[in-house]
Amino acid sequence: DAGVIQSPRHEVTEMGQEVTLRCKPISGHDYLFWYRQTMMRGLELLIYFNNNVPIDDSGMPEDRFSAKMPNASFSTLKIQPSEPRDSAVYFCASSLVRGLAGSGEQFFGPGTRLTVL
Amino acid sequence: AQTVTQSQPEMSVQEAETVTLSCTYDTSENNYYLFWYKQPPSRQMILVIRQEAYKQQNATENRFSVNFQKAAKSFSLKISDSQLGDTAMYFCAFTYSNTGKLIFGQGTTLQVKP
Repeated sequence: DAGVIQSPRHEVTEMGQEVTLRCKPISGHDYLFWYRQTMMRGLELLIYFNNNVPIDDSGMPEDRFSAKMPNASFSTLKIQPSEPRDSAVYFCASSLVRGLAGSGEQFFGPGTRLTVL
Repeated sequence: AQTVTQSQPEMSVQEAETVTLSCTYDTSENNYYLFWYKQPPSRQMILVIRQEAYKQQNATENRFSVNFQKAAKSFSLKISDSQLGDTAMYFCAFTYSNTGKLIFGQGTTLQVKP
């Protein structure tokens, strides 16, 4: 398996533009997570899905952020409109839980470094 | 509320020596898993070691081992024979039951000096 795949790896955009980050989880995993990492705030959980259904989006900063998981192999995180304070590294991770069948270990993608000018 | 605390923001160690990173957690759950993740300068999050709460034996992975004290809710990571490639930020994390959600500590930045 190729692991969790994220695209793009780097994104530079101007304030006000729409940004879409993409994630392909590991095949067969039933949970998908979106994180944001900054120097100031550390690693923050934004939202996570179980079997494509959003379970907890309490970490989403505001309405400018939205996430979807239309099927088991694809998820997007969208920021519209983007602001300079959204500059961060965004990670996607997936895991297999299914009761106690899996340990809940999360496998992380390489991250997307977003810079909003 | 479930919390994970890493009280050492930064640490350093000489190459080939041993270093221990501390982690404590708070939970009322009985079945859970604990993890240490490593994040080198490349930013990739890499699982270092995993511990099941129901196992009394401490997990080991080559030069990495843990000291799991369930009653004290402590989960420290020991790195033996430190190598320059161990330089990274280390995160302690916890998950319980089948929620899937990981609770992360704030991280400890480890510098291995030649």
